[in-house]
Amino acid sequence: DAGVTQSPTHLIKTRGQQVTLRCSPKSGHDTVSWYQQALGQGPQFIFQYYEEEERQRGNFPDRFSGHQFPNYSSELNVNALLLGDSALYLCASIRTGLAGGGSYNEQFFGPGTRLTVL
Amino acid sequence: GDSVTQMEGPVTLSEEAFLTINCTYTATGYPSLFWYVQYPGEGLQLLLKATKADDKGSNKGFEATYRKETTSFHLEKGSVQVSDSAVYFCALTPLYGGSQGNLIFGKGTKLSVKP
Repeated sequence: DAGVTQSPTHLIKTRGQQVTLRCSPKSGHDTVSWYQQALGQGPQFIFQYYEEEERQRGNFPDRFSGHQFPNYSSELNVNALLLGDSALYLCASIRTGLAGGGSYNEQFFGPGTRLTVL
Repeated sequence: GDSVTQMEGPVTLSEEAFLTINCTYTATGYPSLFWYVQYPGEGLQLLLKATKADDKGSNKGFEATYRKETTSFHLEKGSVQVSDSAVYFCALTPLYGGSQGNLIFGKGTKLSVKP
């Protein structure tokens, strides 16, 4: 059973460019969250997708957008890249829908995409 | 808003020493609490969790107890090994109607264990 996969592993872009990162969730998972982890910091929540719609969003500008496909995979797009966007971008998948009564379904993280903006 | 505060590192210990990494949180409602570990060059792995007050999460010799009265979830291990060297993140997630909200992380504590 494959876990969460992300591509590419590393990426180098220049300021002003646009980038697309991809995530395939763990088998049986239907919800995908994206996080940004700057060097030496904890991950920060960008947004979460469920049933192909953005369900929650963190404090990130509109330059960050996403998409979820019918097979539950997801993309993170960042436009007009800034130097400060350099970070490790993590994807996490969850199996929502069965949770209820306060139960918790674990979020599984992928290995991340290291984005460097020059 | 909800937040997590954990002790700053780095923490350097000798093998077989006792480990405590402090974590406190601020949240409305009844969050679930977690410790994640990140080994060099890798993504995050769930180490342990607790979903209600007084629950004790445990895994690989690590333990943490959900203390609602002190809003704490301190990580402990009785005897650390060199292989425990990693960055440890305390995190919480609020629950919305039974589904999982986003994870809110602390800044991380880097642990180095010397032989």
